[in-house]
Amino acid sequence: QQQVKQSPQSLIVQKGGISIINCAYENTAFDYFPWYQQFPGKGPALLIAIRPDVSEKKEGRFTISFNKSAKQFSLHIMDSQPGDSATYFCAARGAAGTASKLTFGTGTRLQVTL
Amino acid sequence: KAGVTQTPRYLIKTRGQQVTLSCSPISGHRSVSWYQQTPGQGLQFLFEYFSETQRNKGNFPGRFSGRQFSNSRSEMNVSTLELGDSALYLCASSGSSGITDTQYFGPGTRLTVL
Repeated sequence: QQQVKQSPQSLIVQKGGISIINCAYENTAFDYFPWYQQFPGKGPALLIAIRPDVSEKKEGRFTISFNKSAKQFSLHIMDSQPGDSATYFCAARGAAGTASKLTFGTGTRLQVTL
Repeated sequence: KAGVTQTPRYLIKTRGQQVTLSCSPISGHRSVSWYQQTPGQGLQFLFEYFSETQRNKGNFPGRFSGRQFSNSRSEMNVSTLELGDSALYLCASSGSSGITDTQYFGPGTRLTVL
């Protein structure tokens, strides 16, 4: 059972454009939602994360929007750059007892073209 | 601080063999989690160790096992290898297992089963 659904699978954006990746979750016990960025040959690296008590969090060009009632969250990358070309994973983490377990989406391969 | 290190980086085994992968967490980190990454299934949680105790376990068969040593280093063992075990195995460490604690991933061990 896939508990975190991610779309699109791949995305091509022009330099300077906005990249948007969406995720939806099912388990209401999830209480922490990080986004990871992975470059080829590297492990995933935390990009930005949000708790469901806020609807938006911004760090530089990266913004998470969170809709608790819809059980959806999204990553917006403003002014996308070629260096942003990577695979992005949304994830969710549960409450006490499963706090360490990250449930990942299937990933979005982003390509930023010149 | 040095990041999470994993050894070996690449490994080729044949069906039926067993393999041991090693992970050294960031200094001071006590929680180590293991994930399997494949193109078809994405990133899936295997298990988490904290202070030498397994605290969480994913939905993998008993052929997958692990342990953690007193210095927080962790090993993962896969017995009776199957072709489907070919994957990138990622280790992640965090300071504790608080829900917002960032998990830092290593570069992974690429296992190929022939």
